[in-house]
Amino acid sequence: DAKTTQPNSMESNEEEPVHLPCNHSTISGTDYIHWYRQLPSQGPEYVIHGLTSNVNNRMASLAIAEDRKSSTLILHRATLRDAAVYYCILRNSGAGSYQLTFGKGTKLSVIP
Amino acid sequence: ETGVTQTPRHLVMGMTNKKSLKCEQHLGHNAMYWYKQSAKKPLELMFVYSLEERVENNSVPSRFSPECPNSSHLFLHLHTLQPEDSALYLCASSQETQRGAKNIQYFGAGTRLSVL
Repeated sequence: DAKTTQPNSMESNEEEPVHLPCNHSTISGTDYIHWYRQLPSQGPEYVIHGLTSNVNNRMASLAIAEDRKSSTLILHRATLRDAAVYYCILRNSGAGSYQLTFGKGTKLSVIP
Repeated sequence: ETGVTQTPRHLVMGMTNKKSLKCEQHLGHNAMYWYKQSAKKPLELMFVYSLEERVENNSVPSRFSPECPNSSHLFLHLHTLQPEDSALYLCASSQETQRGAKNIQYFGAGTRLSVL
């Protein structure tokens, strides 16, 4: 599986935007970019995914570089509830590709 | 509430005990997963069931034995575990289609297992 690289940790002030970067220089044309997050004492939770175009949903936005070698998860207004570990994952589009390969992710701290 | 329920939430067992972890999904999905999350390590995929058949077994020791009696239930049977097996065990489900990369996995809250 293609690998992703994320900063170990980031901090944000409450109610400010947060940009969480992810590098995936070996991404293949059939890999989708998925983001999950894991709040303390909970299982991971799906946030957003995309292939080539930028994506928006009620939780976040995903900005994908034109060459697809990097992406950025954008939380428009961080709240205390957004403090979590954020995982950037590449998922191959082949049938029967069940694997979600989690790395160490980025631990986001939100300061009141 | 994710639609995936795991019981128990916490479990303490001795190395000679036999116990089972249970997972139930209320989402109508056709695939279920067991993951292991050890302290300070990334999540590791253990087993995958698709349409109630095991399709992946990622070199997991035989002291872990999965069972998927139907598409809504998944068990992980544990016997003669070691202290290093202490971890958070997470269950997930998804609706797998031919366009696999779009499929989202929904996770339960996990069972925190301590082996003494």
